[in-house]
Amino acid sequence: EAGVTQFPSHSVIEKGQTVTLRCDPISGHDNLYWYRRVMGKEIKFLLHFVKESKQDESGMPNNRFLAERTGGTYSTLKVQPAELEDSGVYFCASSLSVGGGLNTEAFFGQGTRLTVV
Amino acid sequence: AQTVTQSQPEMSVQEAETVTLSCTYDTSESDYYLFWYKQPPSRQMILVIRQEAYKQQNATENRFSVNFQKAAKSFSLKISDSQLGDAAMYFCAYNLPYSGAGSYQLTFGKGTKLSVIP
Repeated sequence: EAGVTQFPSHSVIEKGQTVTLRCDPISGHDNLYWYRRVMGKEIKFLLHFVKESKQDESGMPNNRFLAERTGGTYSTLKVQPAELEDSGVYFCASSLSVGGGLNTEAFFGQGTRLTVV
Repeated sequence: AQTVTQSQPEMSVQEAETVTLSCTYDTSESDYYLFWYKQPPSRQMILVIRQEAYKQQNATENRFSVNFQKAAKSFSLKISDSQLGDAAMYFCAYNLPYSGAGSYQLTFGKGTKLSVIP
């Protein structure tokens, strides 16, 4: 069974440009999450989809970030326009259920390393 | 707000020896879950072990075990018989089992980079 896959693995863009990150969750996982780790800091929650709906987007830093999950399958995270402080590793995760108990394990992708110069 | 603190940015252990990674957390909740995740270099983060706060018994997964001290809000990870493949970033994390604004998210610590010396 394929795991969570993220594209691209690395991206280097100039300040002001647009970048779109993609995440393909494990098939059948309704729950999809985006997290970000800025160098040397904690991994921070960005948002949570249940199917195509945004369950919780309390961690989105500002309106330059737009996440979508059309059809409840893969998700994209677009940053427009990118700023220097957006650099970091963006992780996607998916889970069958939520809450921490059985079937709620979050499976993570390898992450996309974004560098804004 | 819940916070997770990992006070050891880096640690090293000799192969076959035992190492303990520290984690403390702050929460006002009584029911929650704690996790240790492992991220090897350039690879996916995987779940190592999970602990339910209502269980007094410490979780164990093969060579990995935890020391869960609920009153002290401490959740350390012990790796026994360390192997080269254990070298990775280890993240301690927390979440709640019920719905509420933002409550399904994992709250992570900054991570501890573990090196295993042959």
